[in-house]
Amino acid sequence: AQRVTQPEKLLSVFKGAPVELKCNYSYSGSPELFWYVQYSRQRLQLLLRHISRESIKGFTADLNKGETSFHLKKPFAQEEDSAMYYCALSGAGGYQKVTFGIGTKLQVIP
Amino acid sequence: GAVVSQHPSRVICKSGTSVKIECRSLDFQATTMFWYRQFPKQSLMLMATSNEGSKATYEQGVEKDKFLINHASLTLSTLTVTSAHPEDSSFYICSARGGQSTDTQYFGPGTRLTVL
Repeated sequence: AQRVTQPEKLLSVFKGAPVELKCNYSYSGSPELFWYVQYSRQRLQLLLRHISRESIKGFTADLNKGETSFHLKKPFAQEEDSAMYYCALSGAGGYQKVTFGIGTKLQVIP
Repeated sequence: GAVVSQHPSRVICKSGTSVKIECRSLDFQATTMFWYRQFPKQSLMLMATSNEGSKATYEQGVEKDKFLINHASLTLSTLTVTSAHPEDSSFYICSARGGQSTDTQYFGPGTRLTVL
């Protein structure tokens, strides 16, 4: 079974402070990991995926297979980063379903 | 970027009636569509995975006779909530993905269903 755990429902940080949103997963195989973001009153959208190894809006995430983690990080939080963040996992290849974590609400305090 | 639409955005119906929600990929061919349900302040719960031209694969605990999914074309999938009850009231979200496993999943804006 595939499972995604986001231990924090709410994370509050001050503007300019570093951010780390935690995500751990369980999957017997080679997973694809994603971070999705949902800004207030907007639809869910992809923020980044581990296979791209890219930085979006200053956010990065490294897949750590040893720790089965995919934490989302940003060195300096901005007010516009306030949103719900969902970690998600999919099996590699074919028509694989995506499992979402419960989400973490990031609140950046001005 | 690719756009996925859902219709209607909100629907209120009486208990016992059926409601159909449409999910369309507007500018790409979606070989796979997913239907999610989101309860207030909770995560998205995958209900079913739908591949064009074949039967949907339902997640454990989701009644396939109650939540009918049709993916008749590469741009349209429908979810019909049959004999709706108040406990079916929820936010239903669809997403669509192209033919490659690495393709991004694009989400619709969601449909708020309220069953009276």
